[in-house]
Amino acid sequence: DSGVTQTPKHLITATGQRVTLRCSPRSGDLSVYWYQQSLDQGLQFLIQYYNGEERAKGNILERFSAQQFPDLHSELNLSSLELGDSALYFCASSPRGGLLSGANVLTFGAGSRLTVL
Amino acid sequence: GQNIDQPTEMTATEGAIVQINCTYQTSGFNGLFWYQQHAGEAPTFLSYNVLDGLEEKGRFSSFLSRSKGYSYLLLKELQMKDSASYLCAVRVMTTDSWGKLQFGAGTQVVVTP
Repeated sequence: DSGVTQTPKHLITATGQRVTLRCSPRSGDLSVYWYQQSLDQGLQFLIQYYNGEERAKGNILERFSAQQFPDLHSELNLSSLELGDSALYFCASSPRGGLLSGANVLTFGAGSRLTVL
Repeated sequence: GQNIDQPTEMTATEGAIVQINCTYQTSGFNGLFWYQQHAGEAPTFLSYNVLDGLEEKGRFSSFLSRSKGYSYLLLKELQMKDSASYLCAVRVMTTDSWGKLQFGAGTQVVVTP
């Protein structure tokens, strides 16, 4: 158990629907990151939050949004789902954010597997 | 943008040594990470290099040459449990100095008896 909790583990839904993925970071970690991993692609960075504020954005579609709450848990909202959104969605957390933070290693959750039919 | 290249797959025998190369082209380089990912599981941190040279951690070592945009992960005394995907990740500066971590597609290592 990495200490990063993601729910649900598996989710099957239909095209056009909306889902919310939830992540609780490791105790004491302030930064949360979301990544998407499709079968034929590597980990694609979506977005990062630090202590409630958005800090960095990657290749996140406009149909996707995220937020980090005061208790530091984060949610990733995926709407108007398409077949191509089927993937593993990973949340990761780190103690700090920013380049002055040394290694600042990311700890990943077990992922949420989304299947869009 | 960033371009991170690593071989798709490598096969080696139990007890042997395997070297996984990673080349990158990026501006604002600020560190290179290696993660291990077993199928369907979360990536787990293996090593971090920010300065040139070799970092050794038990059976695993990682090397970095910033001038060449090159890193390798060396796995010694291979065990069956080392069969996994190995992800090279580069951290790059962003305009707000917070940085982003970008992953390569991963190298699938298959260890055979």
